[in-house]
Amino acid sequence: DAKTTQPNSMESNEEEPVHLPCNHSTISGTDYIHWYRQLPSQGPEYVIHGLTSNVNNRMASLAIAEDRKSSTLILHRATLRDAAVYYCILRDVTQGGSEKLVFGKGTKLTVNP
Amino acid sequence: ETGVTQTPRHLVMGMTNKKSLKCEQHLGHNAMYWYKQSAKKPLELMFVYSLEERVENNSVPSRFSPECPNSSHLFLHLHTLQPEDSALYLCASSQDSGTLQYFGPGTRLTVT
Repeated sequence: DAKTTQPNSMESNEEEPVHLPCNHSTISGTDYIHWYRQLPSQGPEYVIHGLTSNVNNRMASLAIAEDRKSSTLILHRATLRDAAVYYCILRDVTQGGSEKLVFGKGTKLTVNP
Repeated sequence: ETGVTQTPRHLVMGMTNKKSLKCEQHLGHNAMYWYKQSAKKPLELMFVYSLEERVENNSVPSRFSPECPNSSHLFLHLHTLQPEDSALYLCASSQDSGTLQYFGPGTRLTVT
């Protein structure tokens, strides 16, 4: 089961910032927080990941709470192309010892023109 | 373009048919994955291959048979499927079975 909790859906207006929350109260000290997104009719794509410090890349920013039990993905200026399902994921381990992604239901982001 | 391609993009098959899904990655990765995405359910990990060896079978029925002939190619052989197997099947690759995975566009499978 996914170890994260996200709102089912959110709406935003084009050119405005979007803050997508995620709760992960059972996170362990070594778990990275990953964000992926899935655009319509496509496979998921990596957005960003972090451990403790806030992270920035060309796609988004990741703000991580001091106790690491929650995080927020920030899209600074939403565009219509950002409409997607956003997944917040913690690292998990398979029975064989490999790292794996466990997807939850994610947050469906709608961007209004 | 993610560097991971899947064919066919769409497939309709009867319950008695045998078909195969193909995945190819051009990223030089050494791990590959099959996921299933059904309507109204989260993505489910099916199989993991690392260095061409299967390292994870997530309790998948035997009517799904994966094959990894080399590090760039992954197949999913299908036989005697059920209508509830209709879903989007996604392939992904990564380096060293890590969590930075690159996904293909998926094959939309319909079983009639």
